[in-house]
Amino acid sequence: EPEVTQTPSHQVTQMGQEVILRCVPISNHLYFYWYRQILGQKVEFLVSFYNNEISEKSEIFDDQFSVERPDGSNFTLKIRSTKLEDSAMYFCASSDVRINEQYFGPGTRLTVT
Amino acid sequence: KQEVTQIPAALSVPEGENLVLNCSFTDSAIYNLQWFRQDPGKGLTSLLLIQSSQREQTSGRLNASLDKSSGRSTLYIAASQPGDSATYLCAVTVWGGSQGNLIFGKGTKLSVKP
Repeated sequence: EPEVTQTPSHQVTQMGQEVILRCVPISNHLYFYWYRQILGQKVEFLVSFYNNEISEKSEIFDDQFSVERPDGSNFTLKIRSTKLEDSAMYFCASSDVRINEQYFGPGTRLTVT
Repeated sequence: KQEVTQIPAALSVPEGENLVLNCSFTDSAIYNLQWFRQDPGKGLTSLLLIQSSQREQTSGRLNASLDKSSGRSTLYIAASQPGDSATYLCAVTVWGGSQGNLIFGKGTKLSVKP
């Protein structure tokens, strides 16, 4: 069964550094998402992406964040100048149509020290 | 602003028991509702998707219902097993830009004792 994959599974970085989280969505899916979950809190929407453009972004997704689909398979989330409060699990998801079931990857645990 | 609430926050039951998890949302303008399972430190596994026009969906021992007008959904788990122990998340799809995005509840942590 096709699945969403994410790399790395765990990333440790120092405050102020840049990180890139990578995702490979399901191959025939066209709609992509990033969510995050701070330990003990709700899963929160960050950004949605379609046709090489951001569809919507949340208040969390400020200028520190950017997304890109650099080729036909990868979908990346870049966090510039990381802060301690960016420590969280980051999930990538994809779906085949605008409003449909979203399939999630296993997540990348980001630890900022 | 859409808010999703799940009650109870935690539930412990003996193996074999039938149980119900509750989810409520404040705005009935949703497109669908998804139930997920999350194991500790892991990703989200989609269990069931109910479209806004549907009343219920079934998959194996799981049955999810949706009452959009009252802003409620339930997840019924029959004959619970220790392997069902996990956190169950409810999420509603709202319209955002040109596609839907999910608003999550905090989850119900289920523990099934052998």
